[in-house]
Amino acid sequence: DTAVSQTPKYLVTQMGNDKSIKCEQNLGHDTMYWYKQDSKKFLKIMFSYNNKELIINETVPNRFSPKSPDKAHLNLHINSLELGDSAVYFCASSPSGNTEAFFGQGTRLTVV
Amino acid sequence: SQQGEEDPQALSIQEGENATMNCSYKTSINNLQWYRQNSGRGLVHLILIRSNEREKHSGRLRVTLDTSKKSSSLLITASRAADTASYFCATDLQKSSGDKLTFGTGTRLAVRP
Repeated sequence: DTAVSQTPKYLVTQMGNDKSIKCEQNLGHDTMYWYKQDSKKFLKIMFSYNNKELIINETVPNRFSPKSPDKAHLNLHINSLELGDSAVYFCASSPSGNTEAFFGQGTRLTVV
Repeated sequence: SQQGEEDPQALSIQEGENATMNCSYKTSINNLQWYRQNSGRGLVHLILIRSNEREKHSGRLRVTLDTSKKSSSLLITASRAADTASYFCATDLQKSSGDKLTFGTGTRLAVRP
């Protein structure tokens, strides 16, 4: 059984489109995250939610809007996609911020 | 700026040899974690060391932490081809706003069979 699953795994879309990436965890964790990994493999946090409540919003353009319908799900919606949004996006969860994080397999977004 | 800087950026060794990767960070931490990422996959947690610990072992992994130097090292003993991956350190910062891990730049390890 997959612990943290995100869909789709690959996403190719044109500039200006709106797209969503879904994430679900079946670990019962309270905290979920979105990370962005660029072409140089640098991994940076975007958002953190705890029990459906936004905790961290790093300096991310407001074209990116996370939505947490319940504590097991954290979806990422991106409006007006730009070339620079091309990256691998990882969802993760943890029981709290001080323990290990469990990562999904990533969504490779390519904007053309 | 990035919290963690890892050294070396890339490392190539022969199977059976030991691999050592280093991580330096800038601010006080609650704990430091090491993760592995295989090509095209998500990150997998390897080991966590708390700020009051100096050394920790898990199987063939040995992690040290020197808070006075703000540095950590990951040693993989008797490496195997399957250890080929990127390795990241991640710090859980004190006084951070909310719960988050800040990742280093990663070390790409290649183990030659």
